[in-house]
This record gives sequence, structure tokens and C-alpha cells, in this order.
Amino acid sequence: DIQMTQSPSSLSASVGDRVTITCRASQTISSYLTWYQQTPGKAPKLLIYAASYLQSGVPSRFSGSGSGTHFTLTISSLQTEDFATYYCQQTYTAPYTFGPGTKVDIK
Amino acid sequence: EVQLVESGGGLVQPGGSLRLSCAASGFSVRSNYMAWVRQAPGQGLECVSVIDSGGTTYYADSVKGRFSISKDNSQNTLNLQMSSLRLDDTAVYYCARRWYTGGFDYWGQGTLVTVSS
Repeated sequence: DIQMTQSPSSLSASVGDRVTITCRASQTISSYLTWYQQTPGKAPKLLIYAASYLQSGVPSRFSGSGSGTHFTLTISSLQTEDFATYYCQQTYTAPYTFGPGTKVDIK
Repeated sequence: EVQLVESGGGLVQPGGSLRLSCAASGFSVRSNYMAWVRQAPGQGLECVSVIDSGGTTYYADSVKGRFSISKDNSQNTLNLQMSSLRLDDTAVYYCARRWYTGGFDYWGQGTLVTVSS
């Protein structure tokens, strides 16, 4: 199976900060990369698909980039509702493995 | 409106079996890739099984040979038959739809499976 890693595992930030999360795949996955946001007790929410495409209804402060094995998720100006855990997932080969997650909390 | 509702979770002893179901509405499971994703307490997400639109199945190494995914097209449901359950299978199990864009766009609310003696 394809292994996914994320960095950092956690970060503390303030409202208005620019936040960047990195995701790496153990082999090339082209642009088959999805980002999710999860808050406690809730199912994950799809943010970005195909590495850089914003899911309908997701605020434009979220953006994604990358291809091959290296990807990033950027939140341009962190809002209160963005404090959550973020996961990347490869959808190149089933089963579609997730990264370990990055928890974003309040500084 | 697309909706996924899981059922069948509960407490089971190690070595036991359990069958999860996911009732779909607003779309056809027959023509979509579907998946089961689990999350152990305080842990991350693990995609344990996928079934594609043609019925081909895929499993994570952690459940291969013990879990079986299937669709009931007449009932528009997704199922997960789990056997030889272990303590580390304890988790919330979500069903999800994989959209053509690749991501899982709709998720159920999750059902808790607890493996304990």
C-alpha cells in the first residue's frame, strides 16, 4: 500500500495566521490527492480534491498544490472555525490511504 | 439529498463477528465506488475497504482475510462483514462515497464497534 506522511503533526496558530501543511506519498500519485478537515465527533469534510481543486462550498482561503509525491495545504488567513485536524489521502490506488493527520490548535 | 446511515455497531468479544450496514439515499451504490473508513479512539483515519462500481474489492492489510465488503443493490446498501475481530478493531466505522473526482464527498455519521472481553 502507498504510505502517506504529514508534517507537522500539530501546530499552534492565531486567528489571521497563514498556515501550511505538507503531505508526502511513498510513491508517485500524480494529482490523486485529497484533503479533509475533521472536528471532534464529526465525520471528515472534503476540502480539496485532485490536489488543487476546491470542493464546492469550501472557503477560498483554503488552497492546495503539488503533484507526484509532495503536496501542500495552505490556509491563507486562519479563522476560528478552522481549528481542527487535517488529513491528506491518496486516491491513486485502493485502499486509499490517509496521512496521520495535522492538528491545528489555538496559540 | 445524498445521505448515508450506518448501523450494526456494538460490543463484541475478541474472535467474534459483526456485520455493519450503510443505507444510502439520493444516489445508487451500484454505480459508485464505496468505502469503509475507521477511526480508533483518539487516532487517525484508516481506509479499511473499498468496492468499485464493478464489484472489485480492496482491503487494507490489517483486515485482509477477516473483513468482507459487499453491496446490496436491491436495498441500495453497503455492507461490511467482520470476523475474527481483535481488540485493535475497536473504532468508529464510517461508510463513504468516492466521487469521480477521487475524494470521499459524502460520509455517514459513523457506528462504534467495541471489541472487548
